[in-house]
Amino acid sequence: AQSVTQPDIHITVSEGASLELRCNYSYGATPYLFWYVQSPGQGLQLLLKYFSGDTLVQGIKGFEAEFKRSQSSFNLRKPSVHWSDAAEYFCAVGEDSSASKIIFGSGTRLSIRP
Amino acid sequence: NAGVTQTPKFRILKIGQSMTLQCAQDMNHNYMYWYRQDPGMGLKLIYYSVGAGITDKGEVPNGYNVSRSTTEDFPLRLELAAPSQTSVYFCASSQIAGDEFFGPGTRLTVL
Repeated sequence: AQSVTQPDIHITVSEGASLELRCNYSYGATPYLFWYVQSPGQGLQLLLKYFSGDTLVQGIKGFEAEFKRSQSSFNLRKPSVHWSDAAEYFCAVGEDSSASKIIFGSGTRLSIRP
Repeated sequence: NAGVTQTPKFRILKIGQSMTLQCAQDMNHNYMYWYRQDPGMGLKLIYYSVGAGITDKGEVPNGYNVSRSTTEDFPLRLELAAPSQTSVYFCASSQIAGDEFFGPGTRLTVL
């Protein structure tokens, strides 16, 4: 069965510092991979997605993610975080080729130190 | 466009009561989903639908039912509420993978 693991429950970084959130997936074929952000009390918003092609994917709000098949990873990065980036981040994998079902990781809560 | 709307925003139920969580979208999306999010956890898929008249179970369907009589609406039914169903429920819709639009959520407490 497909699954996605986010090993870090909570990360704190200083404003202006770089960020990397880890995501590992388990899937037999080429996965459909996503990163979502959830601000407190809000629904989820798609940051970026990978289906095929270039393994470095650019998203909104200055985020990017890199698909590494050899490591089964899809880590999210941002070169310089802002206080407004404090939120919960979810990695997700599309379960089949139609990606009509998406399996979510348990999330990483990001706090920003002033 | 209103996007994805959910009602109610909050609800408290007693054990054994029933209720329907409403979800509607005005984007003519084929795919619709119901998720639950427990504190400190990710989203778990309850049910989904790939089009009017078609529904299927997700990861955690027990205790819930859905119907999809129209493209726009995808209500979630709880027949016998249990404390384990205390959660935040999110409805979402999409036309293609990954472009899911989420509703604002319904916070349900079962006492």
